[in-house]
Amino acid sequence: GQQLNQSPQSMFIQEGEDVSMNCTSSSIFNTWLWYKQDPGEGPVLLIALYKAGELTSNGRLTAQFGITRKDSFLNISASIPSDVGIYFCAGSRWSGGSNYKLTFGKGTLLTVNP
Amino acid sequence: DAGVTQSPTHLIKTRGQQVTLRCSPKSGHDTVSWYQQALGQGPQFIFQYYEEEERQRGNFPDRFSGHQFPNYSSELNVNALLLGDSALYLCASGTDQETQYFGPGTRLLVL
Repeated sequence: GQQLNQSPQSMFIQEGEDVSMNCTSSSIFNTWLWYKQDPGEGPVLLIALYKAGELTSNGRLTAQFGITRKDSFLNISASIPSDVGIYFCAGSRWSGGSNYKLTFGKGTLLTVNP
Repeated sequence: DAGVTQSPTHLIKTRGQQVTLRCSPKSGHDTVSWYQQALGQGPQFIFQYYEEEERQRGNFPDRFSGHQFPNYSSELNVNALLLGDSALYLCASGTDQETQYFGPGTRLLVL
């Protein structure tokens, strides 16, 4: 099935460093979402973006909805050990709620060295 | 307020068997979606239920079927299991105004 192009595949950083990951698509999405998944758990919603150009923050996390509606990025500032996990981007063609399926990227594995 | 719950947490089956997985949505949510997540991959959309009917379906064979009950809970059934059906099965609930929240998943192993 279709998946979004998410990069990088993995990152290994030192505690306190900033992190950036992004997601691109060949087609337009009207909603972009970022999830974090810990081993053996389901994805947990971090940030939801509903409007092209929108920049949204959630604590140390900042995400942007690309102007072309074909991309999004997630930044994590001042990383801490509990940021370890797999980060997924997801796109929906519905603007807002759960009326449409989500298409996911393959994920970015983040490792933080204390 | 409980979030999305799923049962069982883990399941082992053999090829050819049938399996039923269950999901209870978050309180206030009326839409339930099911996803399959293979190891090292992102979740893949199976189908979505709303008002007890299948509203959308992904690229999965008819061996995958589902049901939604009047209380919005849902079941995923997989018939004639194949080795390739081994995966984490995720349920997500939401509304048409609120995005999807995921449950912890059911880990299915087919031997």
